[in-house]
Amino acid sequence: NAGVTQTPKFRILKIGQSMTLQCTQDMNHNYMYWYRQDPGMGLKLIYYSVGAGITDKGEVPNGYNVSRSTTEDFPLRLELAAPSQTSVYFCASSTTKAGGMRELFFGSGTQLSVL
Amino acid sequence: GQNIDQPTEMTATEGAIVQINCTYQTSGFNGLFWYQQHAGEAPTFLSYNVLDGLEEKGRFSSFLSRSKGYSYLLLKELQMKDSASYLCAVTLGGGNKLTFGTGTQLKVEL
Repeated sequence: NAGVTQTPKFRILKIGQSMTLQCTQDMNHNYMYWYRQDPGMGLKLIYYSVGAGITDKGEVPNGYNVSRSTTEDFPLRLELAAPSQTSVYFCASSTTKAGGMRELFFGSGTQLSVL
Repeated sequence: GQNIDQPTEMTATEGAIVQINCTYQTSGFNGLFWYQQHAGEAPTFLSYNVLDGLEEKGRFSSFLSRSKGYSYLLLKELQMKDSASYLCAVTLGGGNKLTFGTGTQLKVEL
């Protein structure tokens, strides 16, 4: 019962470095999402995908990039890390029914610090 | 536009009932979710409302009024483990993405 798997769990970056947050799901969900959560705040949508080869921007896409080459994988790329990107990142996937998405299944999160 | 409002914090007593409100002003509203998030963990799904009315699931119930842009989460027989953040979230239009409120931090005391 793997569900949604995110790696790494923790990472410290220096300003200007780049990295990729990995996300994979084994539930054959078409919909996948990347959220960030700052302390004491709700989740902000970065990017999402409704299927392989299709991605779209969320509320806070600047400084990030994504790709969706397979149904299972949805990596998030930070090209030039900035202190403002210090946050907890959650990947999620969703079942779908008529009318759109249903329950979101979340990964365990990545704590990223940019110093 | 979209605006989701929830109280920031609430405190309640073990064994009691608590109601957490959520109001939203969104164009193209589709459905409303409630999630529970314990400190340091990922959110977990509690409920989904798309039609007006009350959805009951054990100790937790969720209510939706589409005409009033209003929902509440009702937690009965509170337990210490219910201390967590409760996130209200809505889907819009095509229902492809979920927008979250800032969450209500609930503290359950003895």
